[in-house]
Amino acid sequence: GIQVEQSPPDLILQEGANSTLRCNFSDSVNNLQWFHQNPWGQLINLFYIPSGTKQNGRLSATTVATERYSLLYISSSQTTDSGVYFCAPHMDSNYQLIWGAGTKLIIKP
Amino acid sequence: KAGVTQTPRYLIKTRGQQVTLSCSPISGHRSVSWYQQTPGQGLQFLFEYFSETQRNKGNFPGRFSGRQFSNSRSEMNVSTLELGDSALYLCASSFLDRDSPLHFGNGTRLTVT
Repeated sequence: GIQVEQSPPDLILQEGANSTLRCNFSDSVNNLQWFHQNPWGQLINLFYIPSGTKQNGRLSATTVATERYSLLYISSSQTTDSGVYFCAPHMDSNYQLIWGAGTKLIIKP
Repeated sequence: KAGVTQTPRYLIKTRGQQVTLSCSPISGHRSVSWYQQTPGQGLQFLFEYFSETQRNKGNFPGRFSGRQFSNSRSEMNVSTLELGDSALYLCASSFLDRDSPLHFGNGTRLTVT
């Protein structure tokens, strides 16, 4: 079946560290979105990135559609980066976005 | 531009009751989707509306229903509430459809006792 796998499931880092989150998907994609859910439940759209690389401040994302994965980079982590990061690709084989289980990131001061 | 607005933020209901949640999308957005989020199940798609028509529906029982009005505002209704319906209900809007960036509201946290 259609699969989205995010790794690692949990990540604990010290403030200032860099991290890479990965999203693998099982089919070709029309687009892929990354979201951050803060500890209060608010979901923020970070990137809409069907292919290539985008940067927004300390965050950047790369999607390699031909190899069916996307990466989210967070540099110089801050405590406000804590939360759960979700990827949600829209794959050809399914009408809806398919959501990964998320990576829970904890940044310690 | 105002973001996606969901009301109410918190709700406590009793088993067997019904509940209606409201969502106002970003101005100009015509697609509204609803999701249920529980600790064990992650984000589960409920349904999507576009121009007052339901375009797609997830795997939820008929107790869950929704509608969209001509101004793109949407409501979802859950009848005969069960304890397992306790969850965070999230509404998202996008300009066109799933190939447009999705923007979420702050959610409605429903507790069923």
